[in-house]
Amino acid sequence: DSGVTQTPKHLITATGQRVTLRCSPRSGDLSVYWYQQSLDQGLQFLIQYYNGEERAKGNILERFSAQQFPDLHSELNLSSLELGDSALYFCASSVDRSGGDHGYTFGSGTRLTVV
Amino acid sequence: AQKITQTQPGMFVQEKEAVTLDCTYDTSDPSYGLFWYKQPSSGEMIFLIYQGSYDQQNATEGRYSLNFQKARKSANLVISASQLGDSAMYFCAMREGPEGSYIPTFGRGTSLIVHP
Repeated sequence: DSGVTQTPKHLITATGQRVTLRCSPRSGDLSVYWYQQSLDQGLQFLIQYYNGEERAKGNILERFSAQQFPDLHSELNLSSLELGDSALYFCASSVDRSGGDHGYTFGSGTRLTVV
Repeated sequence: AQKITQTQPGMFVQEKEAVTLDCTYDTSDPSYGLFWYKQPSSGEMIFLIYQGSYDQQNATEGRYSLNFQKARKSANLVISASQLGDSAMYFCAMREGPEGSYIPTFGRGTSLIVHP
């Protein structure tokens, strides 16, 4: 157990629907990162939050949004889902904004299948 | 341009042998960090090793070592005495300093298969 908890582990939904992925960072970590892993795009950075505030944005679609709550857990909202959104979504956390030299701790991911 | 390049889509190694997984990177930032992660078939991403751009010595963590050649912008992972459980995808990643906002960028990965 890495200490980063992602729920649900698997999600199957239809096109056009909206889903919410949840992430609880490792205890003491203030920074949360969301990544999308697909076969054709590899691991793509979506968005980072640090202590409740958006810190950096990557290749995140306008249909996607995220937030980090006061208890530091984060949610990634995906709406108007398309078949191409099917992927493994990872949450990672680090103690500060830079990740230090201990790496980023990843959760086990949420596998989203859009049918 | 790709920031992280892993040129070996797949590698095969005999159990107990050593294997080197290649990683080259591209950055103009003097301050950066390099990471290697392992992703077994179960899907989780496991941190293996870290090398800072100012570190004078190559990083080592148990059977893992990072062959850091700064002038060549190379950060190869060496796994000694391979085990069957080492079969997995391996990802190289780089975190750049302030201009890169410290966000790690990942390579496409190398699939390693360890044969008995």
